[in-house]
This record gives sequence, C-alpha cells and structure tokens, in this order.
Amino acid sequence: NAGVMQNPRHLVRRRGQEARLRCSPMKGHSHVYWYRQLPEEGLKFMVYLQKENIIDESGMPKERFSAEFPKEGPSILRIQQVVRGDSAAYFCASSPQGTYNSPLHFGNGTRLTVT
Amino acid sequence: EDQVTQSPEALRLQEGESSSLNCSYTVSGLRGLFWYRQDPGKGPEFLFTLYSAGEEKEKERLKATLTKKESFLHITAPKPEDSATYLCAADPNYGGATNKLIFGTGTLLAVQP
Repeated sequence: NAGVMQNPRHLVRRRGQEARLRCSPMKGHSHVYWYRQLPEEGLKFMVYLQKENIIDESGMPKERFSAEFPKEGPSILRIQQVVRGDSAAYFCASSPQGTYNSPLHFGNGTRLTVT
Repeated sequence: EDQVTQSPEALRLQEGESSSLNCSYTVSGLRGLFWYRQDPGKGPEFLFTLYSAGEEKEKERLKATLTKKESFLHITAPKPEDSATYLCAADPNYGGATNKLIFGTGTLLAVQP
C-alpha cells in the first residue's frame, strides 16, 4: 500500500537552473497539495490541484513557480531560475476528496538546495 | 491574521513522565484542527482531526482535545519511540478550497529512557 511518493528526495541546483519536483499521490487519491517548509518555519500551503486543473494557487510565488497535475503521470512542481531563497523542503500531500473531513497524507518531501 | 502558535518549542521528558503540548489558534472560522507527527527527514504523519470545541480523540498514549482557542496533545506515560516533532495545523473556513492548512512550527519532543 504505497503512500505518497516524491522524487527526488534530495536535489541540488545552482542559481539560475530549473528544479522539477515530482509527486505521485496515494492510490485512489485525486487531490494533490504542495507545501513548502523553510528552515525554522512552519509548513506553508502553495497550491492545490486536481487532475488537469489548478484549484487554488494562492500560496504560490507569482513568478518562477508553476505546478501541474496531468491526466497521466505525477504532479510536477517546477521552479525556474532558482535562487538561494528557494532552498527548502517541498512536501506533496494527497487526499481522496477535497473536503475538510478528508485529511492530508504527506510524502517524505524533496529537499532542494540551491548553491 | 490567521495564525497557529505551538508551545513549548522543545520538551524533554523521562520515559513515563506525562505532559501536554499546546496549540493556540486564531483563524477565520475553523473547519478542522489537525495534529501530525513528523520524524527527522520524513513527511508529517496524520494523527487526529478535531472539528468542534469539547471534542476529544485518543490513540494509544496520545489524546487530543479542542477548545475554541486552543488544542492540547496529552501524552501519557511516553516511550522513547514517541520522540518526534508534533505539528498542529488549522483549516480555516475561507469559503473556498479546503485543506489550505496553517501550520504551527511544532514542538520537538524528546523522551529519554
């Protein structure tokens, strides 16, 4: 019974490169959320997606960040032209329904380091 | 501004020494209050959801309670394997998408044998 799968676990990028983070939700889950955990800060909501739709991206920085959840394949969080401030742990979570009584199940995260 | 504050930041207990972790929240209409456990290098693991003041939930040595302003996670006779960071999160009712959780920064619990 695989949980939420994220890869890679660790990613090192130089400033100006692109970072692509992947997330496969739990089987049967069609709602995907991305959260970011900066050092010494709590997890912060970034974006909520369903298959082929962005439902809420109010937590995403306006520039350089994008997310998708295609009909086939994993959800992708893409960060263009990374800067040192993007260094953080990025967590994906999924739920079977996008309702308040459907708690999130988190993956083990991708730790992005920008050098 | 919606926020969640956890205290203490860190707590060291002897095995068997019971204690409580605090989570204070200020949000616009609470849909649910969540507790998660996070081990080093791992993602948060779901423990409980509480929906209304007065509600309590238990799981093994853990019991979560909720008031209109706070939630407590009570740990009874803890064991070393209970050592982890415990996260509290609130799901505010903005009238739109749910599960846009507001997390506290966590309480790092260390239980010594």
